Amino acid sequence: SQKIEQNSEALNIQEGKTATLTCNYTNYSPAYLQWYRQDPGRGPVFLLLIRENEKEKRKERLKVTFDTTLKQSLFHITASQPADSATYLCALLTGGGNKLTFGTGTQLKVEL
Amino acid sequence: DTGVSQNPRHKITKRGQNVTFRCDPISEHNRLYWYRQTLGQGPEFLTYFQNEAQLEKSRLLSDRFSAERPKGSFSTLEIQRTEQGDSAMYLCASSLGGFAEQYFGPGTRLTVT
Repeated sequence: SQKIEQNSEALNIQEGKTATLTCNYTNYSPAYLQWYRQDPGRGPVFLLLIRENEKEKRKERLKVTFDTTLKQSLFHITASQPADSATYLCALLTGGGNKLTFGTGTQLKVEL
Repeated sequence: DTGVSQNPRHKITKRGQNVTFRCDPISEHNRLYWYRQTLGQGPEFLTYFQNEAQLEKSRLLSDRFSAERPKGSFSTLEIQRTEQGDSAMYLCASSLGGFAEQYFGPGTRLTVT
């Protein structure tokens, strides 16, 4: 069966450290993988998109890697801040680019 | 603010009643999506429109659910004869074509009592 797995346990890190979140998927062949941030009671906010032929993408303090052999994406936030505390969702663009299939998300807490 | 807007933000209804939600996408976006999200889960795809045409519906979208996008602008999602299991956050998103990032609205939280 198709699965997108993210660590369901919250990730607690200290301010200034690098947070690394994992997204693993099975039985998908996505052309695109996206990461979103979601704060409580609000809709997801797009962060980064990476294509299957790209190994790595960066945007400011964010970095995403995409390994189609391992079927895994890693999402890094460097120099983390308390304002980065949120749930981060991994999503695969499936159905011919017509819909996003989301993981369950990982809650990140950055402590002072 | 030119983002995606949704109304109402919260809706409490009794089981068996009908409810309708509205989504106004970013004006130049031709694609509009509806998702449903329950606590602790990621959003689940329900349906999407390209302009005014509804091109795909998830099996999650039972016969009690109907969505429209007249004139390819705003969209409505109606749930008839609501059930307690319909309680969730209903999210709308829009994009400029497929294979593009999607911009989400704030969602409508539905509580069925």
